[in-house]
Amino acid sequence: NAGVTQTPKFQVLKTGQSMTLQCAQDMNHNSMYWYRQDPGMGLRLIYYSASEGTTDKGEVPNGYNVSRLNKREFSLRLESAAPSQTSVYFCASSEEGGTEAFFGQGTRLTVV
Amino acid sequence: GEDVEQSLFLSVREGDSSVINCTYTDSSSTYLYWYKQEPGAGLQLLTYIFSNMDMKQDQRLTVLLNKKDKHLSLRIADTQTGDSAIYFCAESLNYGGATNKLIFGTGTLLAVQP
Repeated sequence: NAGVTQTPKFQVLKTGQSMTLQCAQDMNHNSMYWYRQDPGMGLRLIYYSASEGTTDKGEVPNGYNVSRLNKREFSLRLESAAPSQTSVYFCASSEEGGTEAFFGQGTRLTVV
Repeated sequence: GEDVEQSLFLSVREGDSSVINCTYTDSSSTYLYWYKQEPGAGLQLLTYIFSNMDMKQDQRLTVLLNKKDKHLSLRIADTQTGDSAIYFCAESLNYGGATNKLIFGTGTLLAVQP
């Protein structure tokens, strides 16, 4: 059982480049999330998806877009990367109303 | 508002108890969680407490919740070097029919000295 799988694990981008971070879960969860983790700031919610076909902004959505492609997959897109988006990105999923969120291993993104 | 705060660092000696504290501001939290993050890894759920409970014990872990003060703590008894990690407090909020939204604190780095 793979749980939550994120790709890639590491990425270096130049300012202005675009890329999509992929996330897939095999637990049949309705809810999926994207967080970014920065030193001293904890995890901040970028976007979340309560169910297939719906997405909502979190605390720090600017500069990002998301797609809930199907129940399994929730992707995060950076259209024009900026150095301020250098961070570790985590995808998570949970059952609706569930008590536990399951996290991927993270994507370490550096924008130069 | 949504705000979860923790102290950034805690150092203890092996065998001592550790207490990690957290304060939150949103009284509509349904569940409160403690997650553990080891270096280079994602977060793993350690334990959680429902908002109508005061205390929960799970082996070496004790969670205390003071709803009046919006204060949550995690006590680790007989702390071991393997407990060294970042510990995140999180609250689960439910808005307008949307599913639970998890809001995390800044994380507390626990360093256990042998």
